Amino acid sequence: DQQVKQNSPSLSVQEGRISILNCDYTNSMFDYFLWYKKYPAEGPTFLISISSIKDKNEDGRFTVFLNKSAKHLSLHIVPSQPGDSAVYFCAATYDNYGQNFVFGPGTRLSVLP
Amino acid sequence: DVKVTQSSRYLVKRTGEKVFLECVQDMDHENMFWYRQDPGLGLRLIYFSYDVKMKEKGDIPEGYSVSREKKERFSLILESASTNQTSMYLCASSAPGLAGTDTQYFGPGTRLTVL
Repeated sequence: DQQVKQNSPSLSVQEGRISILNCDYTNSMFDYFLWYKKYPAEGPTFLISISSIKDKNEDGRFTVFLNKSAKHLSLHIVPSQPGDSAVYFCAATYDNYGQNFVFGPGTRLSVLP
Repeated sequence: DVKVTQSSRYLVKRTGEKVFLECVQDMDHENMFWYRQDPGLGLRLIYFSYDVKMKEKGDIPEGYSVSREKKERFSLILESASTNQTSMYLCASSAPGLAGTDTQYFGPGTRLTVL
């Protein structure tokens, strides 16, 4: 049973518009959440994270929102650019030892020019 | 700049062969991980290690073993490769840290094909 879910396998967005990628989790012990971006033939790279004590974290065009009661987080990309086209993985963890990461299945984002 | 390297980008092996995938990190990280990535399944943890000579099973350890003789190096071993082990293999490392500072750094991946 997947503890971290990304129910949209793919998403297409027009350049300049907002991209919203969603992630749901089932384990209430998770207290730190991360988004990774992966281009083909490359390893995932860290994008942005949020601690459970916050409900929003912003870094440039990327904002992550966390709704703990709904066990839901989302990544907003505004404005979307063609270079954002990649697979985005949501991940969650619940320890301070950097060991127990659980990844979602990923959402492939395509930003159309 | 942080770096995780994997010995091969592409590998083709035959069923029954023993396969070694090597991973090296230069960040002095305590934790190292092996994942496999398959379409629709995301990243699934095979094994991780939190110290030299220490290892822990992940979600899908069957058919795999690991070795960590030095802090910077973590090897994944397929004792007898099978076609269902055809996948993208990703190595990662991380350091224990204060909450809010944990992240994993990934290597470029090894695309393994077992014929």
